[in-house]
Amino acid sequence: EPEVTQTPSHQVTQMGQEVILRCVPISNHLYFYWYRQILGQKVEFLVSFYNNEISEKSEIFDDQFSVERPDGSNFTLKIRSTKLEDSAMYFCASSLLAGGNSGELFFGEGSRLTVL
Amino acid sequence: DQQVKQNSPSLSVQEGRISILNCDYTNSMFDYFLWYKKYPAEGPTFLISISSIKDKNEDGRFTVFLNKSAKHLSLHIVPSQPGDSAVYFCAATGGTSYGKLTFGQGTILTVHP
Repeated sequence: EPEVTQTPSHQVTQMGQEVILRCVPISNHLYFYWYRQILGQKVEFLVSFYNNEISEKSEIFDDQFSVERPDGSNFTLKIRSTKLEDSAMYFCASSLLAGGNSGELFFGEGSRLTVL
Repeated sequence: DQQVKQNSPSLSVQEGRISILNCDYTNSMFDYFLWYKKYPAEGPTFLISISSIKDKNEDGRFTVFLNKSAKHLSLHIVPSQPGDSAVYFCAATGGTSYGKLTFGQGTILTVHP
């Protein structure tokens, strides 16, 4: 069964450092997303991406965050200067149709980011 | 942000019995609702969804009921199995934001053999 893969599974970084989280969405999917879950809190939407541009972003997704689809397969989330409060599990997801309408976003297993 | 709420942090049921997980929402723009299941160290996995034009959707052992007037939905699992033990998230979307799911806090379901 096709799946969304994410790397790294766990990254530890120092505050102020740049981090890039990588995702390989399902190959025929057109919509891509990043969500995050801070320990003990809800899964929160960060950003959606379609046709090589951001279609929607949350208030969390400030200028420190950026997303890119550098080639036909990868989808990356960059945090330019990490803060302690960026520590969370980051989930990449993809969908064939606009998420929700199709009923199904496929999520990766997550990348745990720890900022010290 | 309390637009989607799951008021029960945990639920424990006996194998073979029915599990009922509840979810409330406040945003009238939501018109599509989903349930996801999550095991530790894995991402959420889609279970079942329902559009606001329906009040029930069934898929095998899983049934979702939607009460629009009460802004309430529930997930019924029958019969419950030990492998169903996981965290269950309710999510909602709608309006112009179909790409954005708003999740509840999750309910930890434990099914005892």
